[in-house]
Amino acid sequence: TQLLEQSPQFLSIQEGENLTVYCNSSSVFSSLQWYRQEPGEGPVLLVTVVTGGEVKKLKRLTFQFGDARKDSSLHITAAQPGDTGLYLCAGLNSGAGSYQLTFGKGTKLSVIP
Amino acid sequence: KAGVTQTPRYLIKTRGQQVTLSCSPISGHRSVSWYQQTPGQGLQFLFEYFSETQRNKGNFPGRFSGRQFSNSRSEMNVSTLELGDSALYLCASSLSRAGNTIYFGEGSWLTVV
Repeated sequence: TQLLEQSPQFLSIQEGENLTVYCNSSSVFSSLQWYRQEPGEGPVLLVTVVTGGEVKKLKRLTFQFGDARKDSSLHITAAQPGDTGLYLCAGLNSGAGSYQLTFGKGTKLSVIP
Repeated sequence: KAGVTQTPRYLIKTRGQQVTLSCSPISGHRSVSWYQQTPGQGLQFLFEYFSETQRNKGNFPGRFSGRQFSNSRSEMNVSTLELGDSALYLCASSLSRAGNTIYFGEGSWLTVV
C-alpha cells in the first residue's frame, strides 16, 4: 500500500510569513498533484508535477517534485488570509494498469490577518 | 466549460437504507473516479471507471458499488448504510486513464443517522 506522509498537519501563521508544506513517500509516483480544499467544497487542483526535480510556480506558490519522484514540497511566500484552507498532496499511481490517486492527510493552514 | 457535477449535494439517510449518488464528468472526460473523505481517514479511493467498466477498486466492502454509463456519467450506490458511512463523497474526472490532470466535483455530503 502506497502512503503519502504530509507535514505539518496544522499550521497557523501571521499574514506575510513564509511557509513550506512537505509530502513524502517511500513509493515512486508517475505524477504528483497539489490541491486546496475549502470547507464543504471539493479539492481544487493547483498544480501537477510530472518530472523528477521539476519546479513550478503559481504566483506566490512554488511546487517542487523530488528527483526520485517520491516527495514534493509546497512553499508559500508572504502568505495571505486568502491562502487559508486544507492543502492536499496526491500521488498518481499508474502501475499495473491501475490509475488512482493516493492522498496525504492534508495540511490545514490558517493565515491570521 | 462546466466542471464535474455531483448530485445531490446534501442528504440524510437512516441506518440500513441505501443511497445512490450521481456524477456528471467534464464534457469529453471518459475516466471517472470516486473517493470518500472523512475527518479521520482523509480521502480514500473507492473506484475508477473507464468505458463503462470498473478498472480499479479500493479497499471498501461490497456494500459500495458503482457503474458508468455510455455518456461517461457515473453513479455510486451504498447499500445497508452504517453510521460510519457518513462522509463527503467526491467524484473526479479526467480525459483519459493516464490523464495527469484530475478534476473534482464539489461532493455529496452523506449523513447517516
